[in-house]
Amino acid sequence: GESVGLHLPTLSVQEGDNSIINCAYSNSASDYFIWYKQESGKGPQFIIDIRSNMDKRQGQRVTVLLNKTVKHLSLQIAATQPGDSAVYFCAEGRSSNTGKLIFGQGTTLQVKP
Amino acid sequence: GAGVSQSPSNKVTEKGKDVELRCDPISGHTALYWYRQSLGQGLEFLIYFQGNSAPDKSGLPSDRFSAERTGGSVSTLTIQRTQQEDSAVYLCASSLRRNQPQHFGDGTRLSIL
Repeated sequence: GESVGLHLPTLSVQEGDNSIINCAYSNSASDYFIWYKQESGKGPQFIIDIRSNMDKRQGQRVTVLLNKTVKHLSLQIAATQPGDSAVYFCAEGRSSNTGKLIFGQGTTLQVKP
Repeated sequence: GAGVSQSPSNKVTEKGKDVELRCDPISGHTALYWYRQSLGQGLEFLIYFQGNSAPDKSGLPSDRFSAERTGGSVSTLTIQRTQQEDSAVYLCASSLRRNQPQHFGDGTRLSIL
């Protein structure tokens, strides 16, 4: 069946280092991918998205990489800050579908001062 | 604020009671989604509304769950005869159109005693 999974449940990094959060997806028909950040007691906050006609997209301190060959997605956070500590979810969707997203289980990012 | 607003933020009720959860999407957003998040898990799609089109109800777990969207704006999710397994955070999201970034509210934390 469809699934989006994350390789590591918890990632611990030193403040100032770069963070890389990985995600695997299984549905080759997915053509829209999105990353969310969720802090405790809050709803998911949109970070960045990418469509399948691209393999890289950059935002402020964040970069998303898409490798369709191996169905892999990653989120890179530059100069990680304590405020980046949260759970990060990747999600996939299909433009031919209703737009509903299939979410992975999440990776907890812990930033050590 | 201009974000997605959900109410109540917390709801505790007895097993067997009906509950109604409300979502006010971002003004001008035509697409509205409901998701459910169990403790420590990713988000599970429930239902999607887009304009006047028939909703996508494929994620509703049972016929005890229903939702409506009045006037293309406010949405309510109703759970009848609640069960303990319904305990979760219910999240609403809206997007400008389908396949655009979904923006989430902070959810309703539902606890069934």
